[in-house]
Amino acid sequence: DARVTQTPRHKVTEMGQEVTMRCQPILGHNTVFWYRQTMMQGLELLAYFRNRAPLDDSGMPKDRFSAEMPDATLATLKIQPSEPRDSAVYFCASGLVEWDGYTFGSGTRLTVV
Amino acid sequence: SQQGEEDPQALSIQEGENATMNCSYKTSINNLQWYRQNSGRGLVHLILIRSNEREKHSGRLRVTLDTSKKSSSLLITASRAADTASYFCATDGGYSTLTFGKGTMLLVSP
Repeated sequence: DARVTQTPRHKVTEMGQEVTMRCQPILGHNTVFWYRQTMMQGLELLAYFRNRAPLDDSGMPKDRFSAEMPDATLATLKIQPSEPRDSAVYFCASGLVEWDGYTFGSGTRLTVV
Repeated sequence: SQQGEEDPQALSIQEGENATMNCSYKTSINNLQWYRQNSGRGLVHLILIRSNEREKHSGRLRVTLDTSKKSSSLLITASRAADTASYFCATDGGYSTLTFGKGTMLLVSP
């Protein structure tokens, strides 16, 4: 089965450090999302790309977060500088517009100490 | 902010019983989707129902949608221990971005 691959699976970092999370969407999918999941807030949309163009990043703290798709096989989410409140599981998902649902990766569990 | 709100927050049943979860939402939608999440894993798409559909089936899953009441339900029939997971509804308001509820935790005991 085709899958969305996220790396790393786990990341522990110190406050103030830069964190980069990577996602390989399913080949042929033209839509990529980044979500963040916490117990308190649930699943929050951070960024949304279609055909590699950013369409919506209104849910992302712009001063420290950035999301890019340098090519169709790679999406990145960067936090600089990281803060303890960024601790969460970050999910990437891909799909086709009008496709029947989206495929999620296994997530990156980020802990900022 | 959450668009969908699932009810109940937690549900505990025995194997073989049916499980029903409800989802309410606030604004108009293009479609509504249900996802399952096993502990520590990513979300898995279960079923999508479009705004012009009222009911949809997939295996042991049955989803209904009432757009006049802005609500949906997910029924899992003849539940199994492997169905233990969190279940989320997600609404697509027409821009293809999904807004998720906080989920229902389902525990199916053998």
